[in-house]
Amino acid sequence: NAGVMQNPRHLVRRRGQEARLRCSPMKGHSHVYWYRQLPEEGLKFMVYLQKENIIDESGMPKERFSAEFPKEGPSILRIQQVVRGDSAAYFCASSLQGRNTIYFGEGSWLTVV
Amino acid sequence: SQKIEQNSEALNIQEGKTATLTCNYTNYSPAYLQWYRQDPGRGPVFLLLIRENEKEKRKERLKVTFDTTLKQSLFHITASQPADSATYLCALAPSSSGGGADGLTFGKGTHLIIQP
Repeated sequence: NAGVMQNPRHLVRRRGQEARLRCSPMKGHSHVYWYRQLPEEGLKFMVYLQKENIIDESGMPKERFSAEFPKEGPSILRIQQVVRGDSAAYFCASSLQGRNTIYFGEGSWLTVV
Repeated sequence: SQKIEQNSEALNIQEGKTATLTCNYTNYSPAYLQWYRQDPGRGPVFLLLIRENEKEKRKERLKVTFDTTLKQSLFHITASQPADSATYLCALAPSSSGGGADGLTFGKGTHLIIQP
């Protein structure tokens, strides 16, 4: 777990503001996944990225949400014009190419007030 | 539609006994199944992976079985300890995943409480 770094751990935003969540994968990992966990709900897949490529974004809401994983720097999950329903824990995970074990970060808890 | 079901009610087990958690799935042909542990306020931690052609996997006090006919996996913790108290998640990857972790779908988890 310690290898995948997420920040901020906790973020409070007012409705209408933007939230940016960052994720640095484990060293040597080129695949990044974002999941959302609502209270009493399971982890829901959002997006799967490799460096500079979005591989699968089938779990991303159509509007306001975007993700990137640039050549240099962390992966970013961006939520524009946040609403109360966006309040959740957002987890990032990483894996080696072609490997089926993913390693999660400690999560970013977003609260929209 | 695809469904992964885990007991939503907390499971209370006395210390030293074997805890058994269940993961059932429908409308799914998983290539493999994984079990994770999640503590409050923390990220999930990978425990075990079992493939569709494997019946059983062990790791220390943990044992996982996978019955593709029953569409069920059982997760056992033997000689349970209070430190084993956590939420345990099962996750399935479809056959189309190509060996990677894309498409991994999680159950809601079962909260396990080991009482001293």
